[in-house]
Amino acid sequence: DQQVKQNSPSLSVQEGRISILNCDYTNSMFDYFLWYKKYPAEGPTFLISISSIKDKNEDGRFTVFLNKSAKHLSLHIVPSQPGDSAVYFCAASVGGGSNYKLTFGKGTLLTVNP
Amino acid sequence: GAGVSQSPRYKVAKRGQDVALRCDPISGHVSLFWYQQALGQGPEFLTYFQNEAQLDKSGLPSDRFFAERPEGSVSTLKIQRTQQEDSAVYLCASSLQKGLAGFYEQYFGPGTRLTVT
Repeated sequence: DQQVKQNSPSLSVQEGRISILNCDYTNSMFDYFLWYKKYPAEGPTFLISISSIKDKNEDGRFTVFLNKSAKHLSLHIVPSQPGDSAVYFCAASVGGGSNYKLTFGKGTLLTVNP
Repeated sequence: GAGVSQSPRYKVAKRGQDVALRCDPISGHVSLFWYQQALGQGPEFLTYFQNEAQLDKSGLPSDRFFAERPEGSVSTLKIQRTQQEDSAVYLCASSLQKGLAGFYEQYFGPGTRLTVT
């Protein structure tokens, strides 16, 4: 039973346009959500996060939106650049205590075409 | 400013062999995590250490998997009697303990790709 779902295995966009990556979750206990970016043969790299008390967090070209009622979050990249081409993982955790483990989706391969 | 390092980067083992995978976390990071990433999947949690204490091992798939962090820094993930289904990338991550800033980030190493033949 996947608690974090990324239903689009891949996405292709033109350079300069907006990339929108989606993620759904089922566990209502999740209170932190993160996006990681992964290049081949490297470990995932943290991109941006959002706490469940917020509905938007912005960092430069990257914005994450959280819709708690729909248990849905999305990552917007504007404008998209060829260097953004990578696999993007959505992850979530239940905060508090010492339980910091991340639950990941399967990832979405983003290709930004020049 | 070294990041998380893992060794070896690649390991080929024959079925039934024991393997040991090493993780060097970022200096000063209290928390250390191991994840397993099968082909085409996202990373899946295996186990978590806070300093030398293993506080959560709920993700270890069987008693053939064992992890330790005896001095609270370097960690080793050991897999005994490897099986083909153990083939995956094993990722290590470290982080500062939550509570310092209300938010934590896990820094991942490059992973060890284990292939069991």
